[in-house]
Amino acid sequence: DGGITQSPKYLFRKEGQNVTLSCEQNLNHDAMYWYRQDPGQGLRLIYYSQIVNDFQKGDIAEGYSVSREKKESFPLTVTSAQKNPTAFYLCASSIAGTNYEQYFGPGTRLTVT
Amino acid sequence: SQQGEEDPQALSIQEGENATMNCSYKTSINNLQWYRQNSGRGLVHLILIRSNEREKHSGRLRVTLDTSKKSSSLLITASRAADTASYFCATEATGNQFYFGTGTSLTVIP
Repeated sequence: DGGITQSPKYLFRKEGQNVTLSCEQNLNHDAMYWYRQDPGQGLRLIYYSQIVNDFQKGDIAEGYSVSREKKESFPLTVTSAQKNPTAFYLCASSIAGTNYEQYFGPGTRLTVT
Repeated sequence: SQQGEEDPQALSIQEGENATMNCSYKTSINNLQWYRQNSGRGLVHLILIRSNEREKHSGRLRVTLDTSKKSSSLLITASRAADTASYFCATEATGNQFYFGTGTSLTVIP
């Protein structure tokens, strides 16, 4: 089955720890994205990548880091510098270029206490 | 930011009725897309309308786009309980960067 997967579904961490969220796709998409969603809110873009070994900051990149070493994978690290990391994190992918839809993973709910 | 805003924030209707939700945005776009999200899940793409299109249909969905007013509407006809979800508009301006609105929460009462 083609699709985009995120793991784990739920993640709990203590304040001050870095944590890495996994995102994998087998859709052969060049573009990948990370969004953050807070309760009752829309999606805000953290980072996006249009090609391997290249990525750009979105609107709320502070306290986050990413890598894009493989086309299929776009992991997101939430660092201890992120002041309010508890949120629902969504990964998406799409064909690179204009006028293409995004395909979303099921999301990871991160709780930091 | 050109993040869009949906209106209303919440909508509750009876099964069989039509549901209309609106989206406004701030800057020029290449296209506008509508997505659906069931509680605690990822988003699912519903329909894409390009900036040179004014209306598009897909099954029970009808989308309009008015670029002069920077607004779009999504109409769901003959709603079903299974349509209960949050609906988001997303705009694409520069290639491959999307901005999502704040969402409309739709409840369809059986």
